[in-house]
Amino acid sequence: DVKVTQSSRYLVKRTGEKVFLECVQDMDHENMFWYRQDPGLGLRLIYFSYDVKMKEKGDIPEGYSVSREKKERFSLILESASTNQTSMYLCASRGGGSNQPQHFGDGTRLSIL
Amino acid sequence: GEDVEQSLFLSVREGDSSVINCTYTDSSSTYLYWYKQEPGAGLQLLTYIFSNMDMKQDQRLTVLLNKKDKHLSLRIADTQTGDSAIYFCAEVPSNDYKLSFGAGTTVTVRA
Repeated sequence: DVKVTQSSRYLVKRTGEKVFLECVQDMDHENMFWYRQDPGLGLRLIYFSYDVKMKEKGDIPEGYSVSREKKERFSLILESASTNQTSMYLCASRGGGSNQPQHFGDGTRLSIL
Repeated sequence: GEDVEQSLFLSVREGDSSVINCTYTDSSSTYLYWYKQEPGAGLQLLTYIFSNMDMKQDQRLTVLLNKKDKHLSLRIADTQTGDSAIYFCAEVPSNDYKLSFGAGTTVTVRA
């Protein structure tokens, strides 16, 4: 089974802090994704990466950046956290080929005070 | 989620069948997915269907696809309390990596 591991289940940070959310997958997947989930809005794509050192903006990239130095790890960075970034963050990975589904981690619930 | 629409809530009696509906807009979508999210957890892939199929059955789950109407449904037979969760419909257009999700349907199973 695919295993996508997010480093923290719960995280509390302060406004203005730099925040790192880490995600690791063990299936040698090319593609990795970061979403945020908010009530009534479903999942919205922040950034995705289709290869090491490659990244593309999703639908809501403002206030975020990402890093993919190794194939198995995809990091989401909040450069200067704000209260409107309080949310559930979900990481996913996907193998190559159009029929491959995305596999999700358990999520990180981030609170910015 | 604006391209994929789902009703937000469904209440069903234990032992009955649940039907969760979804409409999508991208006619080039190749695969359509159903994910389940239990409280405090990530999304678990339940099943998926390729766009050239009408139906797919997997144990208690039946997926129906009406490509003409761009309508997808998930039927859960003999619904159990463990089926209480949020269910997301998602599509991926051809030649794209990204999934478009609906807002999710919260299914509540009552005794």
